[in-house]
Amino acid sequence: DSGVTQTPKHLITATGQRVTLRCSPRSGDLSVYWYQQSLDQGLQFLIQYYNGEERAKGNILERFSAQQFPDLHSELNLSSLELGDSALYFCASSPGDRRGGANVLTFGAGSRLTVL
Amino acid sequence: QQQVKQSPQSLIVQKGGISIINCAYENTAFDYFPWYQQFPGKGPALLIAIRPDVSEKKEGRFTISFNKSAKQFSLHIMDSQPGDSATYFCAASKDTDKLIFGTGTRLQVFP
Repeated sequence: DSGVTQTPKHLITATGQRVTLRCSPRSGDLSVYWYQQSLDQGLQFLIQYYNGEERAKGNILERFSAQQFPDLHSELNLSSLELGDSALYFCASSPGDRRGGANVLTFGAGSRLTVL
Repeated sequence: QQQVKQSPQSLIVQKGGISIINCAYENTAFDYFPWYQQFPGKGPALLIAIRPDVSEKKEGRFTISFNKSAKQFSLHIMDSQPGDSATYFCAASKDTDKLIFGTGTRLQVFP
């Protein structure tokens, strides 16, 4: 167990629907990252939050949004789902600052989204 | 300039052999270079990492070699074992920025 908790583990939904993926970071970590991993693809960075504030944005579609709450958990909202959104979505956390390991990412087990 | 290029895409090694995976980067501001290991159905896990002030770091059978002038770094797995069969990702970042990952190398170690 990495200490990063992601729910749900698996999700099957239909095109046009909306889903929310949830992530609880490792205790003490302030930064949360979301990555997308499609079949046989690498890890594509979506978005990063640090202590509730958006810190960096990657190739995140406008149909996707995220936020980090005061208790530091994060949610990734995916709307108007398309077949191509089927992927593994990983959350990772890190200390997020210069406390010896600012960008040492610890990943959760992922949420597998299947859009039919 | 933000890309990290990784090769090969896949690698087959006999048990006991040496596995070598290479990565190259463009952004000279990168100051942290980790390698992650991912087993099927699991999230990536940090394997070993290096910063540019050293040219080599070894942890058990895993070694990172770092060439700052060439902007390249590589992972060497000595005495490769079937249990090492996984996908390996190199990555790079600057300061407290996000990690930029390579495209991954699928390693298969046969007995």
